[in-house]
Amino acid sequence: GQQVMQIPQYQHVQEGEDFTTYCNSSTTLSNIQWYKQRPGGHPVFLIQLVKSGEVKKQKRLTFQFGEAKKNSSLHITATQTTDVGTYFCAGLSSGYALNFGKGTSLLVTP
Amino acid sequence: NAGVTQTPKFQVLKTGQSMTLQCAQDMNHNSMYWYRQDPGMGLRLIYYSASEGTTDKGEVPNGYNVSRLNKREFSLRLESAAPSQTSVYFCASSGGQGYTEAFFGQGTRLTVV
Repeated sequence: GQQVMQIPQYQHVQEGEDFTTYCNSSTTLSNIQWYKQRPGGHPVFLIQLVKSGEVKKQKRLTFQFGEAKKNSSLHITATQTTDVGTYFCAGLSSGYALNFGKGTSLLVTP
Repeated sequence: NAGVTQTPKFQVLKTGQSMTLQCAQDMNHNSMYWYRQDPGMGLRLIYYSASEGTTDKGEVPNGYNVSRLNKREFSLRLESAAPSQTSVYFCASSGGQGYTEAFFGQGTRLTVV
């Protein structure tokens, strides 16, 4: 089945440092979505990318979808303690349900 | 709007017991999903329902059954619980079968002893 791999598994940064998580698929994706889950919470949708090479920004967050639609990244500039949580990518290649990566847990220390 | 509501929030079962996890959404979504989350494993799809009246297996369906009772409700049943089913279970719904954002419930923390 479709595999969505996400790296790194964990990242610990000082507040103010940048952070990037990467998502790679073994197959071409129709779209990719990113979710954030705070500790003890549930996943919350951040954004969806559909087009090859697409780049979207949300304040300090930048999302990219690769030209081949097999990889994606999330970059956070100047992290804050409110960025703490696990970031998941989820891809749709065929069928009707998203396949989630294992997530990257971000810890930000002041 | 309540969004996606799951019950119960916490449950402890003994091995071999059965239970049903309930999920309801009030967003008129066609698609509903059950995921389980285990440490370091991300979210794994158990079953999904692309529309009312249809259900399909996901990545880890063994030991589970589902019922799409109507458009609003999608339940997950454990017939004979096993310790390996200790997990956090999330129900989610979306309007567009993976092409639109998914809304998640608060989760059910299940422990099987």
